[in-house]
Amino acid sequence: EIVLTQSPDFQSVTPKEKVTITCRASQSIGSYLHWYQQKPDQSPKLLIKSASQSFSGVPSRFSGSGSGTDFTLTINGLEAEDAATYYCHQSHSFPLTFGGGTKVEIK
Amino acid sequence: QITLKESGPTLVKPTQTLTLTCAFSGFSLSTSGVAVGWIRQPPGKALEWLALIYWDDTKHYSPSLKTRLTITKDTSKNQVVLTMTNMDPVDTATYYCAHRRADSDFWYFDYWGQGTLVTVSS
Repeated sequence: EIVLTQSPDFQSVTPKEKVTITCRASQSIGSYLHWYQQKPDQSPKLLIKSASQSFSGVPSRFSGSGSGTDFTLTINGLEAEDAATYYCHQSHSFPLTFGGGTKVEIK
Repeated sequence: QITLKESGPTLVKPTQTLTLTCAFSGFSLSTSGVAVGWIRQPPGKALEWLALIYWDDTKHYSPSLKTRLTITKDTSKNQVVLTMTNMDPVDTATYYCAHRRADSDFWYFDYWGQGTLVTVSS
């Protein structure tokens, strides 16, 4: 099973700041890594697919990078509406797995 | 527009069998390159993938839950059903179904249902 380790677990950030969330895979997964945003009491929403491709309708301040075992989700210029928990997810192999999540709080 | 909606009991007793239905619209599960999966989330915890069914009826299950899970599809009704046997309080969670698509060689969940909270308690 591929384990995804996210860091940090929690981040408190001022609006307009840059946010960086990392996801490390226990083995190489190429670009089979996707990022989701989950706001309180809502279902997850796809932000980034295949490590670096923005999903339709996602604001341009969200971007993804990386390949192999190390991946990054960046929010350039945090907005209040970005308060949420962010998850990475690998589709390289079964069983499908998710990271433990990173909660982003607005200061 | 793709939409999915989960339905089923909100409360089940330990040892009972849970049956959840995912009703969807905006796509057909008989179309090549489409799948529907189930993912759950215990309160305050992370997401956990459970099961997946493809347009061609290929199925995959979480190894840790494989003996308890069954996923089926009814293409004519646009529904996917998940059954989980021998429910336990640790199975208390919000259960989501999600549409999965292929983009070249990359599969990902792009649309999710609203989720349904299932509580396991006597």
